[in-house]
Amino acid sequence: GQQVMQIPQYQHVQEGEDFTTYCNSSTTLSNIQWYKQRPGGHPVFLIQLVKSGEVKKQKRLTFQFGEAKKNSSLHITATQTTDVGTYFCAVGSYSGAGSYQLTFGKGTKLSVIP
Amino acid sequence: KAGVTQTPRYLIKTRGQQVTLSCSPISGHRSVSWYQQTPGQGLQFLFEYFSETQRNKGNFPGRFSGRQFSNSRSEMNVSTLELGDSALYLCASSSGWQAATYEQYFGPGTRLTVT
Repeated sequence: GQQVMQIPQYQHVQEGEDFTTYCNSSTTLSNIQWYKQRPGGHPVFLIQLVKSGEVKKQKRLTFQFGEAKKNSSLHITATQTTDVGTYFCAVGSYSGAGSYQLTFGKGTKLSVIP
Repeated sequence: KAGVTQTPRYLIKTRGQQVTLSCSPISGHRSVSWYQQTPGQGLQFLFEYFSETQRNKGNFPGRFSGRQFSNSRSEMNVSTLELGDSALYLCASSSGWQAATYEQYFGPGTRLTVT
């Protein structure tokens, strides 16, 4: 099935610093979604990207989809303590059994030092 | 609109037992997906239902099963529990017919501990 690599696994930043997490695939993606999971919480949808080279912004968050649709990034400008959590990318993919499912990356756990 | 609800929130079972978890999607959503989340394997897709039909199934043994009712509520069942089944089980609903291409709304999860 589809493998999607997400890096880094962990990131510790000082409050006010920027943060970026990357999601990489060896195959062309149809779509990519980003989720945030706060400690003790459940994943919350942030955005979906479907077009090559697409860039979307949500306040301090910037999402990009690569030109070849094989990678994506989430960038947070001037992190705040409210940004703490694990950020997941998720891609639609066919499994070996022909099932089309959402495959999640392992996530990047963000810690913000006040 | 009320969010996705899952019951129970916490469960402790012993090996060999079976368990049933319940999920009520957002009103109007007909697609329900289930995921298993563990520290080691992360978030893994279990199955997806749309209008009472299982549309997709992940790579889990047959001990894991599910169903969806006419009111879109869904249940998943795990039989002959193993220690490795300890995990957070998350249910998600979406407004579209193919979960992988639509925004997923997750419930709070059921924390299952197998002893």
